[in-house]
Amino acid sequence: GAVVSQHPSRVICKSGTSVKIECRSLDFQATTMFWYRQFPKKSLMLMATSNEGSKATYEQGVEKDKFLINHASLTLSTLTVTSAHPEDSSFYICSARDQAETQYFGPGTRLLVL
Amino acid sequence: KNEVEQSPQNLTAQEGEFITINCSYSVGISALHWLQQHPGGGIVSLFMLSSGKKKHGRLIATINIQEKHSSLHITASHPRDSAVYICAAHGSNYKLTFGKGTLLTVNP
Repeated sequence: GAVVSQHPSRVICKSGTSVKIECRSLDFQATTMFWYRQFPKKSLMLMATSNEGSKATYEQGVEKDKFLINHASLTLSTLTVTSAHPEDSSFYICSARDQAETQYFGPGTRLLVL
Repeated sequence: KNEVEQSPQNLTAQEGEFITINCSYSVGISALHWLQQHPGGGIVSLFMLSSGKKKHGRLIATINIQEKHSSLHITASHPRDSAVYICAAHGSNYKLTFGKGTLLTVNP
């Protein structure tokens, strides 16, 4: 079946630094990718929709200057958490939608900001 | 009120038992997903269905569009089935609305 990878799987960084998370669709082209955030024991929360070749669409309350999304190719979207703070510590998950409109989820990236 | 409600929130079963997890939604949907999330976080898409019933191994998912209700069944449950099961409603704008998940623990 279709596979979506994320890198890194976990990252620890100092407060004030920026962290980039990659989401790749390995065996299909994804014109649309989604970025989610999940707090412990909570539902996934959609942060933004990433469209290849155009600007991402952010959900209400998500700072676009804080969470930079780039979808430069049909197989890669990146999420950069800029000037990270401890409250940004969370589990970030991406998904990619194929041409049949099925969404495949990545394994997630656990971010810890010290 | 969440637009997607799951029940139960927690479920403990003995190995071999038949398990049912329910999902009700109040939004109009084009499809409904059942997802599995193991400790450590990775999510696996189990089913995407818009009508009727789908089966994969010991897993069965059903949906009743008129009643806005879906069920996930696990036959002959096994400890490795222990995970959080999440239903997610797939709206016409392709966004997913997630339930809060059902934590399933299957004891040997």
